[in-house]
Amino acid sequence: GESVGLHLPTLSVQEGDNSIINCAYSNSASDYFIWYKQESGKGPQFIIDIRSNMDKRQGQRVTVLLNKTVKHLSLQIAATQPGDSAVYFCAENISNYGGATNKLIFGTGTLLAVQP
Amino acid sequence: KAGVTQTPRYLIKTRGQQVTLSCSPISGHRSVSWYQQTPGQGLQFLFEYFSETQRNKGNFPGRFSGRQFSNSRSEMNVSTLELGDSALYLCASSFDGRSNQPQHFGDGTRLSIL
Repeated sequence: GESVGLHLPTLSVQEGDNSIINCAYSNSASDYFIWYKQESGKGPQFIIDIRSNMDKRQGQRVTVLLNKTVKHLSLQIAATQPGDSAVYFCAENISNYGGATNKLIFGTGTLLAVQP
Repeated sequence: KAGVTQTPRYLIKTRGQQVTLSCSPISGHRSVSWYQQTPGQGLQFLFEYFSETQRNKGNFPGRFSGRQFSNSRSEMNVSTLELGDSALYLCASSFDGRSNQPQHFGDGTRLSIL
């Protein structure tokens, strides 16, 4: 398979602290990246996306940073709350057919545990 | 606006049987993708459909197949089930499948093979 799930890394933070979740992607040709949050028993929920012609994008309490030189993506969550506890996945989009494709390659995921 | 709906939520089958899973995309979305999620392999792309045509396919055996109907609803089928097919099967939809659009996921069908 193209995505190998091994031991799930865990990030443990205190409520109110900022969290930074990192992701290394694999394909230099990837042109679009998405962060998803997955809670137990649910499907991945869209958080924020970024195109390859950008290096930073901000949402509500979240910021995504893209470093194409080292193929690295990060998700920053400000003032982390207990409700942020979940598994976070980065996904890269592999372009095909002139950009008309929808094949996402997912990272292994990071478990964010927020301590009250 | 209703999200992506997958049915059934849970399914138990035995080896050798076949199964069909259903996905209704977000209203107006025409691209539907399927993914398999397991603890060992993570989230893996199965295939994508747009306008009733399979446009992209992952590295899965031919036992895994799918189709899309004219109303954009999609089904995936797995024949001759194996123990290793036990997984969460996720469906995701986007407007027209362009690469700069997020895919929105349903909550999946949990398939258990006995």
